[in-house]
Amino acid sequence: KAGVTQTPRYLIKTRGQQVTLSCSPISGHRSVSWYQQTPGQGLQFLFEYFSETQRNKGNFPGRFSGRQFSNSRSEMNVSTLELGDSALYLCASIGGTGELFFGEGSRLTVL
Amino acid sequence: GEDVEQSLFLSVREGDSSVINCTYTDSSSTYLYWYKQEPGAGLQLLTYIFSNMDMKQDQRLTVLLNKKDKHLSLRIADTQTGDSAIYFCAEKVIFGTGTRLQVFP
Repeated sequence: KAGVTQTPRYLIKTRGQQVTLSCSPISGHRSVSWYQQTPGQGLQFLFEYFSETQRNKGNFPGRFSGRQFSNSRSEMNVSTLELGDSALYLCASIGGTGELFFGEGSRLTVL
Repeated sequence: GEDVEQSLFLSVREGDSSVINCTYTDSSSTYLYWYKQEPGAGLQLLTYIFSNMDMKQDQRLTVLLNKKDKHLSLRIADTQTGDSAIYFCAEKVIFGTGTRLQVFP
């Protein structure tokens, strides 16, 4: 059974640009969640999707958005990038008892 | 709001037991989870406990849950250098800050 796949693994952007990250959950899983991980703030919840609907949202500005497709793949987008957006972005596929299966993450560096 | 708290660091000698503690605020959680993150890697589910249980044992791992005090702990028996990592406690979508476990010979 394939795990959670996140692309790209690494990317470098400059301030003001926008970025789109992709996540393919475990086959059969219909829920995904996204997290931002930084040394200073730890692991912060961004949003959760189930069957193409956003079910929960963390405390992030509107520059952070996401969506889920009918095949359960999910994308998150960050517009007007700021230096503070540099982080590891983790996607997780959600199992039947709420346990999370994480991908390796997309490491974003904003210059 | 919901919050999960953990101590930041723990250092133990190889072969000793490690105990990582966590407190949480949301008493409606059905499950509570422990995750492990090794350097440069994503998080890996270690174990979880149903909120109606007091204890769960899984090989070297023992999870204790005190629902009255909203306290969760993870005990690692016979700690090895390969256990060096960051351990996160989580309830629903909220994660603790993580406890960095360092195992020295």
